[in-house]
Amino acid sequence: DQQVKQNSPSLSVQEGRISILNCDYTNSMFDYFLWYKKYPAEGPTFLISISSIKDKNEDGRFTVFLNKSAKHLSLHIVPSQPGDSAVYFCAANSGGSNYKLTFGKGTLLTVNP
Amino acid sequence: EPEVTQTPSHQVTQMGQEVILRCVPISNHLYFYWYRQILGQKVEFLVSFYNNEISEKSEIFDDQFSVERPDGSNFTLKIRSTKLEDSAMYFCASRRTGGNTEAFFGQGTRLTVV
Repeated sequence: DQQVKQNSPSLSVQEGRISILNCDYTNSMFDYFLWYKKYPAEGPTFLISISSIKDKNEDGRFTVFLNKSAKHLSLHIVPSQPGDSAVYFCAANSGGSNYKLTFGKGTLLTVNP
Repeated sequence: EPEVTQTPSHQVTQMGQEVILRCVPISNHLYFYWYRQILGQKVEFLVSFYNNEISEKSEIFDDQFSVERPDGSNFTLKIRSTKLEDSAMYFCASRRTGGNTEAFFGQGTRLTVV
C-alpha cells in the first residue's frame, strides 16, 4: 500500500525558475511531513518539514505547503539552482510510539543551467 | 556537525552468508531505524528501536533479520542467511526525540549478495 505518493518520477526546470514537487498521502493519522534530498550513493538529507497544524513553512529558497483537506503537500524551490538536482523524497510521520517515517518513491529533479 | 556513520560502505557477500551492518547514531539520539532502498525503488522502513527494544518492524524484517545496540553507541543490523533479494542500500537513521523532529540518515551500506 502506497500511503505516500509522489506521482511524478522526474521534473526538469531551468535555472532561476521555480521547481514544484508534489506529494499526496492517504493516511489521515500522519501529523508531520518532511522533505529529504538525496544524491546518488549518499543517504537522504533532511531539507524542510511541516507540522499538520501549519499550512506553510519557509526556509530560504525552500517552502513547503500543506493542504490537509486534500491530503497534499508540495515543495517549492525558488530560484532553482543546478546544485538542487537530486532525488527529492516526501516522508510522513505516523506518530505513535515509534515515529516511523513512510517515504514516497521520490522525484528526480534536474535543474538545467 | 554530528552525523550518523555507517560501515562498511560496500559489502559483497555470498548467498546464505551472514552479514552485519554497523551504524553509529548521533550520540544524544534516542530513536534508531534501519531502512533499505532496492535499486530504483523507494526507501522502505525495516525496523525502529527505542529503549533497547524493537518498537516496530515491517513485514520485510523477518526472522532472518535482527538488530542490536551492544554497547550504547553502535547499532547493528544482522542478516543471518542472505538472499539475492537482500541486495540493496541499507540506511541507518536516528532521531533525537520521538516528537516532530527530523531523522538523520547515514551514508548507507551497499549490500550486494552474489
